[in-house]
Parts: sequence; structure tokens; C-alpha cells
Amino acid sequence: EAQVTQNPRYLITVTGKKLTVTCSQNMNHEYMSWYRQDPGLGLRQIYYSMNVEVTDKGDVPEGYKVSRKEKRNFPLILESPSPNQTSLYFCASSLTRGLGNTIYFGEGSWLTVV
Amino acid sequence: AQKITQTQPGMFVQEKEAVTLDCTYDTSDQSYGLFWYKQPSSGEMIFLIYQGSYDEQNATEGRYSLNFQKARKSANLVISASQLGDSAMYFCAMREGNSGTYKYIFGTGTRLKVLA
Repeated sequence: EAQVTQNPRYLITVTGKKLTVTCSQNMNHEYMSWYRQDPGLGLRQIYYSMNVEVTDKGDVPEGYKVSRKEKRNFPLILESPSPNQTSLYFCASSLTRGLGNTIYFGEGSWLTVV
Repeated sequence: AQKITQTQPGMFVQEKEAVTLDCTYDTSDQSYGLFWYKQPSSGEMIFLIYQGSYDEQNATEGRYSLNFQKARKSANLVISASQLGDSAMYFCAMREGNSGTYKYIFGTGTRLKVLA
């Protein structure tokens, strides 16, 4: 089954404690991306990757890091989480070519930083 | 700069009636794609419908249709015969092609409530 898997789904952590949200897709997609969703702001892109070892900042990259060492994985790293990073996070993937290729989303990760 | 605008934070519709969710976009590219996604209260994102900038006919998928008006840069979602299960958040999104980055951008969403 084609899917994007992200973990953990739910996490409560403390300010400053480094955490990683993993993301893996099994569709051989080149394009992967992280979004955060906040009330009234919709989905905002954090980072995206066009292929292995190719990453670029989205609209809200501050406080986050990513890496793309393998095509299937695109982890999101919060080196020193702060309460304003409390949000719902989505990993997503898509084929790079073809405008009509929809983006596939993971189930979301609810992150609370206290 | 590319931008998606959804001006309706919330909408109500009576069951079995049709409803239109507004979406306007801004882009300087000639080649782009427009998408609508549904997000139920459980949180997952569900793809509904796609319209390409060069498509001459409006896209339809079952009860969903996309009212594409290129000159006005609008891509409204029409849901016919609303059902209680249509209550959800709806996001409009765009993907540009000419820029080479193939980024997707999303609007702020419209929360639809279907009334029995």
C-alpha cells in the first residue's frame, strides 16, 4: 500500500529537549516536504527536498533542520524545541515531474512543547 | 509571489444542498496545478480534485467539481448534495511548474459544517 509514515503521531516534550520526527515513503517519490498546521494559518511549508541531498527552506524554517540521505526518508529535527513549535506536523511526498501529481500526506504528528 | 487565498473561515450548509468554497490564487506562471484537499476532524489530508492551468474543462470527481475561472484566478470547489460526512476543513492548494521548484502552497482553509 502506497503510504507516507511519520512517527511519533503524538508527543509531549519539554523546552530544549532535542527531538526527531521521522518520515518515510514507499512510493519512490523524489519530492518530500514538511508542513506545520496552525489554526487560522493553514499549512505552512517548513522545508522541502527535491531529491537525495537536495533540501531547501520553505516559508517557516527557523528552529528546524532536515536531512535527505536516502530517497525514502526525510526526518524533521527540532534541535531545541520551544513552545511556539507546538503544532500539527505533516510530512508529504510527491513525484517531482508532472503538475498533476498530487501530494501524499502522512497522518500527522501532534507535537506539544511545554 | 505565489499565494492562495481562502476568504471563508467557516461555512454552514444544509444537508442535501450544494455549497461553494472559494479559492483565489496569484501566480505569474502560465503552467500550474490547483488542488483541493479535505481534512476531517481525525486530521488526515484527503485529496479531492485537481485542475491543470491548461485544462479547458472544469474538473469533476463525483459530487465534487472545480469551478475554474482562469482570468479571475479563481478555483472554487463545489460540493453537490452535501452529506453530514462532508463536515471538515477544506484546503485549496497550488503547484507551480515554470519556477522549477514544484512547491505546493496552501490556503488557510475553510471549515464546513453540514447541518442535518
